[in-house]
Amino acid sequence: EPEVTQTPSHQVTQMGQEVILRCVPISNHLYFYWYRQILGQKVEFLVSFYNNEISEKSEIFDDQFSVERPDGSNFTLKIRSTKLEDSAMYFCASKEQGNEQFFGPGTRLTVL
Amino acid sequence: TQLLEQSPQFLSIQEGENLTVYCNSSSVFSSLQWYRQEPGEGPVLLVTVVTGGEVKKLKRLTFQFGDARKDSSLHITAAQTGDTGLYLCAGANAGGTSYGKLTFGQGTILTVHP
Repeated sequence: EPEVTQTPSHQVTQMGQEVILRCVPISNHLYFYWYRQILGQKVEFLVSFYNNEISEKSEIFDDQFSVERPDGSNFTLKIRSTKLEDSAMYFCASKEQGNEQFFGPGTRLTVL
Repeated sequence: TQLLEQSPQFLSIQEGENLTVYCNSSSVFSSLQWYRQEPGEGPVLLVTVVTGGEVKKLKRLTFQFGDARKDSSLHITAAQTGDTGLYLCAGANAGGTSYGKLTFGQGTILTVHP
């Protein structure tokens, strides 16, 4: 069964460093998302991506964040200068035209 | 800002008991999805409800979408220890300026004791 994959599973970085989180959505899906979940808190929407551009973003998704779909299969989230408060699980999700979003296993980002 | 309030936050029951988890909002959603999440893993989709009043069954799990599409419930009959986990509801709006972003509830941690 097709699934969303994410790498790495765990990323440890120093404050101020850039990180790139990678996702491979399900191949025939058209809509792509990033969410994050700070430990003990709700899953929060960051950004949606459709037709090679950002379609919607939350107030969390500031100038330090960017997304890219460089080659038609990968979908990346870049954080330019990480802060301690960026430590969280980051989930990629994708869907076709319908309602159902399928999530990847997540990347645990730890900022020291 | 759309909010989804999920209750209860914690539920601890004995095997064989029935339980219901509620998800409520003042906002209308075009669809509502229920997920289950294991520690350190991503949410796994259980079901999507779309039509007001819709009821869907998945073995011992029954999902209902409110008539006004503002609330939903998950009912588990004769709970088993394997049902232990975190259950999340998430509402979506499609169309207009929304591209299906999900608004999540805070989750219900279910523990089923043998």
